Amino acid sequence: DVKVTQSSRYLVKRTGEKVFLECVQDMDHENMFWYRQDPGLGLRLIYFSYDVKMKEKGDIPEGYSVSREKKERFSLILESASTNQTSMYLCASSLGRPNTGELFFGEGSRLTVL
Amino acid sequence: RKEVEQDPGPFNVPEGATVAFNCTYSNSASQSFFWYRQDCRKEPKLLMSVYSSGNEDGRFTAQLNRASQYISLLIRDSKLSDSATYLCVVTPNSGNTPLVFGKGTRLSVIA
Repeated sequence: DVKVTQSSRYLVKRTGEKVFLECVQDMDHENMFWYRQDPGLGLRLIYFSYDVKMKEKGDIPEGYSVSREKKERFSLILESASTNQTSMYLCASSLGRPNTGELFFGEGSRLTVL
Repeated sequence: RKEVEQDPGPFNVPEGATVAFNCTYSNSASQSFFWYRQDCRKEPKLLMSVYSSGNEDGRFTAQLNRASQYISLLIRDSKLSDSATYLCVVTPNSGNTPLVFGKGTRLSVIA
């Protein structure tokens, strides 16, 4: 079975802190994605990547950056956390073309910024 | 117009009932369609793909209407375990742009 592992299920950070959210997948998928999910707003795409060292902005990239140094790992970085970044963050991966096929999600990282 | 629109619900139905959700999409060039299921406090998981000819998997039937630009999900003989949020997902027009998710329709099946 495909497994997407997010390093932290729950985090509490203070405003201005730098936050790293790590995501690792074990099925050699080319595509990896970071979403945030908020009540009433659904899933919103932050960044995605089709290959190592490649990244593309999604719908809401402001305040975030990403890193993909290895195929299996895709990291989301909040350079200076703010309270409006309190959310559930979901990482996903997929095989093949990015807009087809099944997305496999991690269990999510719930971030609270105080 | 939003790319993918769903009625947020909640749909509250008794066990054994048949329930149907619709989802409209704005891009007539969209080619791939899916229904995902998300349980409370869990990650989304693929429920089924939606093919032009329709798709049935046990109690679940998905259909596509290209002319009216909507997809539907029909659940027959609802079970308590069907309670979840159902997300409609479509491809956008560009070749490599990721899938677009609807905000979901919440279903509660009541004993």
